[in-house]
Amino acid sequence: AQSVTQPDIHITVSEGASLELRCNYSYGATPYLFWYVQSPGQGLQLLLKYFSGDTLVQGIKGFEAEFKRSQSSFNLRKPSVHWSDAAEYFCAVGNFSGNTPLVFGKGTRLSVIA
Amino acid sequence: GAVVSQHPSRVICKSGTSVKIECRSLDFQATTMFWYRQFPKQSLMLMATSNEGSKATYEQGVEKDKFLINHASLTLSTLTVTSAHPEDSSFYICSAVTGLISYNEQFFGPGTRLTVL
Repeated sequence: AQSVTQPDIHITVSEGASLELRCNYSYGATPYLFWYVQSPGQGLQLLLKYFSGDTLVQGIKGFEAEFKRSQSSFNLRKPSVHWSDAAEYFCAVGNFSGNTPLVFGKGTRLSVIA
Repeated sequence: GAVVSQHPSRVICKSGTSVKIECRSLDFQATTMFWYRQFPKQSLMLMATSNEGSKATYEQGVEKDKFLINHASLTLSTLTVTSAHPEDSSFYICSAVTGLISYNEQFFGPGTRLTVL
C-alpha cells in the first residue's frame, strides 16, 4: 500500500536554528516526492519536488530536501529558520502518471520561538 | 503559469442546502482534477478523481450522491455538496493535472472553506 509517514506531529525550533522534518514513504513504483507548506486557513504551496536526477533538491524559501532511496526517505531541511516559516508541512508521494492522486502524510506543524 | 482557482473561497450555508464549489485551471487544460477534503488539523484526504467527459471516481466511504462532481470542460470541475450538514464543514481543495508529456504535476487550488450551520 502506498503511504507517507511524517513521524513528528509538532516540532518547535528557535528562530535561526536549523530544521529537519522527516518523511518516509512506501510506494510500489518509482516515487515522485513533494513537500508542501500550508499556513493556517490557506491552500498548499509547493516548496520543492523530486522527480529524478540529483537527490538533493533545492526549493523556495531556502528549503532543501534529500531523497534517499535506501531509506525510503525524503527529509526536508532548512539551515536557519525564520519566524515566518511557522506553518504546517506536508510530504506527499505520487507517480509519473498524473492521473493518480498524491498520497499525503499527516503533516508536521512547525512552531518557531524567539 | 499553471494556476488553479477555486470559487468561492469561503461559504457559510444552512443545513439542508446545497453548495457548489468551482475549480478552474486558468492557463492550461486539465484532463484530470482531484478533489480533497481536509478537516481541521488533519491531512488532505482524497475524495474523488474527476476526468473530463466521464463520471468521477469516488474513494471508499465518500457518498457520490452527496458529493456531485461534474467535469464538463478541460478547465472546469465542480463539486456540489447536496443537502449539506454540519459534519460536511471542511476545507475542500482541488488539484489539476497539466497533462504534459513529462513530469505530470498537480497544481492545487487555494481551497474553499465550507461551514454548515
